[in-house]
Parts: sequence; structure tokens; C-alpha cells
Amino acid sequence: NAGVMQNPRHLVRRRGQEARLRCSPMKGHSHVYWYRQLPEEGLKFMVYLQKENIIDESGMPKERFSAEFPKEGPSILRIQQVVRGDSAAYFCASSPELAGTFTDTQYFGPGTRLTVL
Amino acid sequence: AQKVTQAQTEISVVEKEDVTLDCVYETRDTTYYLFWYKQPPSGELVFLIRRNSFDEQNEISGRYSWNFQKSTSSFNFTITASQVVDSAVYFCALSSNTGNQFYFGTGTSLTVIP
Repeated sequence: NAGVMQNPRHLVRRRGQEARLRCSPMKGHSHVYWYRQLPEEGLKFMVYLQKENIIDESGMPKERFSAEFPKEGPSILRIQQVVRGDSAAYFCASSPELAGTFTDTQYFGPGTRLTVL
Repeated sequence: AQKVTQAQTEISVVEKEDVTLDCVYETRDTTYYLFWYKQPPSGELVFLIRRNSFDEQNEISGRYSWNFQKSTSSFNFTITASQVVDSAVYFCALSSNTGNQFYFGTGTSLTVIP
């Protein structure tokens, strides 16, 4: 049973370019979460998605960042016009279908390390 | 507000010593969940344990044990007879039924010296 897949593992972009980070959840998981980890810090929540729906984007910067989880294919975190401050590790997590208000464990992918030159 | 504090930034121990990683949390929710994750040098996050707020039993898994105390809002993690492979950053996290996100502490970097 494959875990959460993220690609690329490392991504280098120049200022002003676009970065696209991909996440395929674990088999059977329909909930995807994106987190950002700045150097020497813990993970900070960005967005929570289900198939074709953004459920909670309270942690997403208001500009340049967007996320989607289409009916088919991986979830995408897109950062437009990247700046040096976007350099971080971006982690995707997935969890199974929630039963009522039950909060399930989130399983994390290996992360994408974005470096903006 | 939800918050997790891991006051120990870095810890170094000699192999075979026991070590305890502290985690203190804040929440107003009556139902919540606590987690520990391990981040080895390779960078991925490995799930270690999940605990819900109604279950205060301590748990032991091999050399790992967890002490959950609601009275002090703590969920501490002890590694017995530490090994070099235990060297990693360990994160404590909190989630509640009223939200979808996990709140992570800043992590404790553990170095086990051979």
C-alpha cells in the first residue's frame, strides 16, 4: 500500500517563476492537507481539500498561492511569481473519509523542498 | 486558541540513555487529539502515535512510551535505551473536532551520540 506521494522532491525556481507541487494521497484517502515548514520551524497548516472542493484555506497566503484537488489526478499546490520567502519544505498529508466529527490521523508525504534563487 | 509548545529545542544523549521529550498543549476543546511524528534527516514525517482526549492511559511500544496527563496538559514522549537511529526531529501535534488542521510544535531535535 503506497504512502502519500509528492513530486518533485526538490524544486528550484528563480524569483518570478511559478512552482507547481503535486500530491497523490494514500489509496482510499479522500482528504488532502498542505502544510509549509520554514527552516527551524514546525509545520504550519495551509489548506484542506476534498475532491473538487476547498474546505478550509485559512492558512493560505491571500495572494499568489492556490490549491486544487480535481476529480481525477493529484492535488496541486501552485505558487505564482515566487519570492525568496517562499523557500520552504511543503508537505502534503492525507486522511481517510471522516466519519461524523471523528478526526483521523494524517499521513504525510516526503515533502517538496522548494528553493527560490 | 490551539497551541503546542515543545520547549526543548535540541537534546543530545549518549547511546543507551533514556530521554524524554516534552510537549505541552493548549486548547479549549473538550475533544481533541494528540500526535507525535518523527522527522529523520531524510526529511519525511513518520507517524508515531495518536491519542484522544478521553484516553489517558499511558502507552508503550517497544522502546517508546507516552505519558498523557490532562491535569498538566502534557503529552510527553520517552525513548528508552536510545539508539543512533533515534536521531531526528520530533514533533508533537494537536487536532480537535472543531477544526481540520493539525497544530504543530516547533519540534525537538534529538541527537544520539554513539
